[in-house]
Parts: sequence; C-alpha cells; structure tokens
Amino acid sequence: DAKTTQPPSMDCAEGRAANLPCNHSTISGNEYVYWYRQIHSQGPQYIIHGLKNNETNEMASLIITEDRKSSTLILPHATLRDTAVYYCIVRFPPSNSGYALNFGKGTSLLVTP
Amino acid sequence: DTAVSQTPKYLVTQMGNDKSIKCEQNLGHDTMYWYKQDSKKFLKIMFSYNNKELIINETVPNRFSPKSPDKAHLNLHINSLELGDSAVYFCASSVQGVNIQYFGAGTRLSVL
Repeated sequence: DAKTTQPPSMDCAEGRAANLPCNHSTISGNEYVYWYRQIHSQGPQYIIHGLKNNETNEMASLIITEDRKSSTLILPHATLRDTAVYYCIVRFPPSNSGYALNFGKGTSLLVTP
Repeated sequence: DTAVSQTPKYLVTQMGNDKSIKCEQNLGHDTMYWYKQDSKKFLKIMFSYNNKELIINETVPNRFSPKSPDKAHLNLHINSLELGDSAVYFCASSVQGVNIQYFGAGTRLSVL
C-alpha cells in the first residue's frame, strides 16, 4: 500500500468548510483513496472513497489531484460533532477476501464554536 | 438494531485471567475483523475472517484466539491476560471484495 502523510492536527470554525489534506505520492494506478474518521470513544466510521474522479456523498467531498499524488477531504459545513481523528488510507481493492485497513496517525480535527 | 455490536463494552480483570469478547454483525457481511487500539491510539489489525475461515493473522501472541461460529459472529478469546493487553478492541465487518468496513463501538479492556 502507498504511504500517506497527513498533518497531525487542524482547527476549523463551526460552520466553515474543513479541508483535510493527504499526500500519497507513491500511489499506484489501481489504488483507491479511502477516508475514515474516529470520533472520541467510538469505532472508526467510513466517510468516502475514490479512485480518480472527485466524489461527493452526504458526509463529505473528496478531491483527488489529477496526478493522484494528493487528495483533500472536504467537510463543507463543519459542526462540533465533526471533531474527530480523520484517517486517509490508500488501498488496493480486495481481490477476493477482505483486506485489513492500515490506519496511520491521522489528522486530529478540532471544530470550535 | 446496531449493525456491529460488541460485548462487553468495558472489561476489567486481573492478570492471568482468561476472558472473551463477543462480536455480532447483522449486516449480512461475510468478512469480519478484530483490531487493537493501544494507549497511543494506533489502530492495528489482529485477525480477519472470511466465511468463517481465518485469512489474516498478524503477529499476535497465541494467547489470542479468534473463533467464528458462523458468518455473523467473531469472538475473541484471550488466555493468561497480561498488563500489555490493556487496550480498546474493535470488531469490524465488510462485504467480501469491498474495503468499506463497519466498526463496533469497541471493548475497553483493562488488565490490573
């Protein structure tokens, strides 16, 4: 799996967009970018994933650069409940069996009032 | 109607004891996992089962033994508990061939 680099922490004001960057310069052609988050004292939660194109769902948007060496997770209107550790994970799609996710250190996002 | 449920939520026990953590998923998934999150908050895979068969077994002491009686359950039994086993243990499940995993709320194990 390609290695990912994320800033250790970020702050964001409530109601503003939170833009969380992730570098994955060694990503290979068929590796996907996944984002999970872990709210304090809870299990990790899947947010979104993508291969090449930008993706959007009810939780967030994922912007992947054209060269695929970096990506940004966007929470368009951050709320206090978005305070969590956000993990960017690069992974090949499982061929036939489930693969473990390699969680790094992630980015600790603090949303302030 | 919790998707992935673990019991117990908290487990406090003495060194040397044997304990089990249970995990059940009602999502119809065929792959289940156990992860360990230590005091430094690193989350690491321990085991993965697909259709009741072990497919990932990371470097985990053999005091840890997963058991999958059916596709919906993956239990974790720990023998001779040690202080270093204190951590939060997370169960997760997914559909075969998909990297989207659903996690339980965790079991916080404290070994005294």
